[in-house]
Amino acid sequence: NAGVTQTPKFQVLKTGQSMTLQCAQDMNHNSMYWYRQDPGMGLRLIYYSASEGTTDKGEVPNGYNVSRLNKREFSLRLESAAPSQTSVYFCASKQGTYNSPLHFGNGTRLTVT
Amino acid sequence: GENVEQHPSTLSVQEGDSAVIKCTYSDSASNYFPWYKQELGKGPQLIIDIRSNVGEKKDQRIAVTLNKTAKHFSLHITETQPEDSAVYFCAALTPNTGNQFYFGTGTSLTVIP
Repeated sequence: NAGVTQTPKFQVLKTGQSMTLQCAQDMNHNSMYWYRQDPGMGLRLIYYSASEGTTDKGEVPNGYNVSRLNKREFSLRLESAAPSQTSVYFCASKQGTYNSPLHFGNGTRLTVT
Repeated sequence: GENVEQHPSTLSVQEGDSAVIKCTYSDSASNYFPWYKQELGKGPQLIIDIRSNVGEKKDQRIAVTLNKTAKHFSLHITETQPEDSAVYFCAALTPNTGNQFYFGTGTSLTVIP
């Protein structure tokens, strides 16, 4: 009963390096999301994918790209990491019905030095 | 877009007492309000939710109330236990923004044994 799985759990990057955060869900959900969590700022939406083949920008998309690889997988890429991207990143998924909750993974803690 | 405010940011209660966390939202079209509990090092987990056609919902020691006129909703935890200690987030879903959730900034609840 895995739910939403994120890898890696921890990552340290130097400024300018690139990396991809992986997310997979086994609940057959249509929608998938990437959030970042910073102290005192709650959860802010980076990108989301309402269904396979579509992606849309959220509140804070600058510096990120996403790929909805298939229905199960949604990856987040940092092309040139900056210290301002130091954060905890959460992937989430949701059923297609409107009034249904998000299911979150356990996060990736990213530090950019 | 929607703006969700959450108070208080920190809350300490004695074991057995009640805890109340309040959120307000700005968009009158918002119609789904989940509450999440986040334990240290983990992702947020849904604990209760309420839809706009309902004024109150209860699940054992947890209840949520919604006042659509005033645009606020509250989480009530009765007979608190040490394992209730965590960060709690409220959220609102607005049809105007597709499937986007807007989160409050969180309340760190400490239950003192």
